[in-house]
Amino acid sequence: DAKTTQPPSMDCAEGRAANLPCNHSTISGNEYVYWYRQIHSQGPQYIIHGLKNNETNEMASLIITEDRKSSTLILPHATLRDTAVYYCTPRVEGSQGNLIFGKGTKLSVKP
Amino acid sequence: DVKVTQSSRYLVKRTGEKVFLECVQDMDHENMFWYRQDPGLGLRLIYFSYDVKMKEKGDIPEGYSVSREKKERFSLILESASTNQTSMYLCASSFLGELFFGEGSRLTVL
Repeated sequence: DAKTTQPPSMDCAEGRAANLPCNHSTISGNEYVYWYRQIHSQGPQYIIHGLKNNETNEMASLIITEDRKSSTLILPHATLRDTAVYYCTPRVEGSQGNLIFGKGTKLSVKP
Repeated sequence: DVKVTQSSRYLVKRTGEKVFLECVQDMDHENMFWYRQDPGLGLRLIYFSYDVKMKEKGDIPEGYSVSREKKERFSLILESASTNQTSMYLCASSFLGELFFGEGSRLTVL
């Protein structure tokens, strides 16, 4: 499985866009990039995933570089409830194996 | 809605006790996982199962065992709890790469 690198922490002002980067330079051609987040004292929650095209859903947008070596999760209008640890992880869609989480990025949204 | 239920949110046990952590999912998923989470270490995989009665070791299986007798239930067993097993334990099931997590069980071993 590909390794990922994320900054350990980031701050964002409430109402502004939060842009969370992830480096996955060893990602394989058939691996998707998955993003999860974990709010304090809760289990992780799925956010979004993509292969090579940019993706958007009701929670966030995912921008993947053309070479697929990095991606950015965008929360367009961060709220205090978005304060959480965000994990990116590559994975083959439909694979039966485990999902590897690194240490993630602790996003703090401030008033 | 998807539901993964862990039997206990908080447990306190003594060193040497046998501990059972139960997890039930209602989505008919084949894959289930047990993770532990410790400050600064992220999520680490203990065991996973891709079918009834099947199990695979994750990254840190030592000191743990698992049981999957029914598709919906995946149990984590600490045969003889030790203080270094004090942690948050998270169960998950998955479908097409998307993991669904329970709320977690915080275990303290004294």
